[in-house]
Amino acid sequence: NAGVTQTPKFQVLKTGQSMTLQCAQDMNHEYMSWYRQDPGMGLRLIHYSVGAGITDQGEVPNGYNVSRSTTEDFPLRLLSAAPSQTSVYFCASSTRPLGDEQFFGPGTRLTVL
Amino acid sequence: GQQLNQSPQSMFIQEGEDVSMNCTSSSIFNTWLWYKQDPGEGPVLLIALYKAGELTSNGRLTAQFGITRKDSFLNISASIPSDVGIYFCAGQPTTPLVFGKGTRLSVIA
Repeated sequence: NAGVTQTPKFQVLKTGQSMTLQCAQDMNHEYMSWYRQDPGMGLRLIHYSVGAGITDQGEVPNGYNVSRSTTEDFPLRLLSAAPSQTSVYFCASSTRPLGDEQFFGPGTRLTVL
Repeated sequence: GQQLNQSPQSMFIQEGEDVSMNCTSSSIFNTWLWYKQDPGEGPVLLIALYKAGELTSNGRLTAQFGITRKDSFLNISASIPSDVGIYFCAGQPTTPLVFGKGTRLSVIA
């Protein structure tokens, strides 16, 4: 199993550009989530999904959209990138509802100029 | 929203020393988790705790779920250079999971 994969590894955007961060898992996990990590701020939840077709907002959802059309994939969309969205983004999946044993991807480091 | 206070923020220790870090919450949690993040990687689960008072070990790591259900502790014995990284506590009052801000551990050989 590849576990949780994320692409791209690194990305530089200009303010106002849009892009999609990809996340996929091959563990048949129902629950997937997106976090951002900023220095000194820990991991903050952006959006999460408890199954295909179901998504919900986390702590910091503004500026981000998600969809969950399949169990495997959970892309994160930035509609109009802003410098405040410069961060490292982690996708995670788990068998239980946002509880323990979340498996994290390797992260995407995003810089918005 | 829920907040976790994790301390210390950073630690510099000599190889072979023991390490202690903790997390506290203003509300009761049903689950406490400890993760480690190596540089450039995603967090990896170290220990999961499910019951108040529970004490669980994983090699040189020991974690405890506080009796009040509002705190948890992680101890690392006889630290080695590969212990370097950021340690996160995470708790679950209901859903979703809440993370502390992390303890950055540096080990001096």
